[in-house]
Amino acid sequence: GESVGLHLPTLSVQEGDNSIINCAYSNSASDYFIWYKQESGKGPQFIIDIRSNMDKRQGQRVTVLLNKTVKHLSLQIAATQPGDSAVYFCAEAVAGQNFVFGPGTRLSVLP
Amino acid sequence: GAVVSQHPSWVICKSGTSVKIECRSLDFQATTMFWYRQFPKQSLMLMATSNEGSKATYEQGVEKDKFLINHASLTLSTLTVTSAHPEDSSFYICSASPRGLGNQPQHFGDGTRLSIL
Repeated sequence: GESVGLHLPTLSVQEGDNSIINCAYSNSASDYFIWYKQESGKGPQFIIDIRSNMDKRQGQRVTVLLNKTVKHLSLQIAATQPGDSAVYFCAEAVAGQNFVFGPGTRLSVLP
Repeated sequence: GAVVSQHPSWVICKSGTSVKIECRSLDFQATTMFWYRQFPKQSLMLMATSNEGSKATYEQGVEKDKFLINHASLTLSTLTVTSAHPEDSSFYICSASPRGLGNQPQHFGDGTRLSIL
């Protein structure tokens, strides 16, 4: 079923620091995970994905970590910038099935 | 990269009006597109899966006669909110994945803000 958030948790980070956004997923059979960034009034934007046969994947300034044992996913953003301020969603999927989105986390970058 | 275009971006209309929202995959073909609804400060709620050439699959609790979906081609899906009322006001977002084996990222349109007066 779909994940519906009630109130977005907020993470405040000083500009230049590293950010870590966490996500607990629900389905142990999920084998594909994505992080999305959503800015106000826009659709979600793909950041990085990871498949269940990996536990770490790096992109430009971002790293996704997957811990299947505890069903936990994290997104690390290095040297956080004001432009990183947004809502971040994790999404999980089982092969061939629809994605289920997490409740989201609002990242606020402080000057 | 894969681009999904959604139109219009903002609609304001009177209660009772029907509103059509278009979702296009610009540089890839999509046999499946997805329609989501998002309330303020909340996550995305899947409304229905739009299948090219066949009927859409609606999630539980979503009225299929209220939210008409047509997926006439591999690059276009439309969502029509029929006889819209103020409670239908929301942010509607579509997404699509390029055809291929296994899971691939969904690429999202920029959403349509629907305001019913």
